[in-house]
Amino acid sequence: AQSVTQLGSHVSVSEGALVLLRCNYSSSVPPYLFWYVQYPNQGLQLLLKYTTGATLVKGINGFEAEFKKSETSFHLTKPSAHMSDAAEYFCAVSLTGTASKLTFGTGTRLQVTL
Amino acid sequence: GAVVSQHPSWVICKSGTSVKIECRSLDFQATTMFWYRQFPKQSLMLMATSNEGSKATYEQGVEKDKFLINHASLTLSTLTVTSAHPEDSSFYICSARDRRGQRGLYEQYFGPGTRLTVT
Repeated sequence: AQSVTQLGSHVSVSEGALVLLRCNYSSSVPPYLFWYVQYPNQGLQLLLKYTTGATLVKGINGFEAEFKKSETSFHLTKPSAHMSDAAEYFCAVSLTGTASKLTFGTGTRLQVTL
Repeated sequence: GAVVSQHPSWVICKSGTSVKIECRSLDFQATTMFWYRQFPKQSLMLMATSNEGSKATYEQGVEKDKFLINHASLTLSTLTVTSAHPEDSSFYICSARDRRGQRGLYEQYFGPGTRLTVT
């Protein structure tokens, strides 16, 4: 079984500041890890994913995440926040070899202030 | 590319009636589609996995007779909420996986969601 923990249901940063959204996972096998963004009343958009290979993954809109097996973490970062980054962010995990069943974290709402 | 649509985007129905939600992959074939439910300010909970031409696999605690899923073709899956009650009010989101896996291994493409309100 797998699970995802997102620390901080709500994160507020100033525009231009570093964004750090935390995600820790639990998995019995090497996981596939994902970050999704959801804007109000919309579906989910994939920001980035880790499957195998390079542990630092770059995604859309300037986001990146680093897979750290020793820490079972997959934190999402962006060097400089923009007002348009305000949204709900979900970390998710799926098991290698399964039919892509995703288990989501509880989400982190990012607020960007002037 | 990799567009998934849902219809309707929102629906209001009376208690006791049934509502059908469609999920379509517009530019790819999807052997597998997933149905999620999201309560306000909460995460997505997987309800069921829908495979084209076979019965859906429901997650523990999801009533298969209440949430009927049909995956009749490689581009269409439907979720029917039968005898809806106010507690069924929620945001329902589908996702689809590309049949050939060419759009990204283990990547799901999500629809925009359907907001169901049962009065």
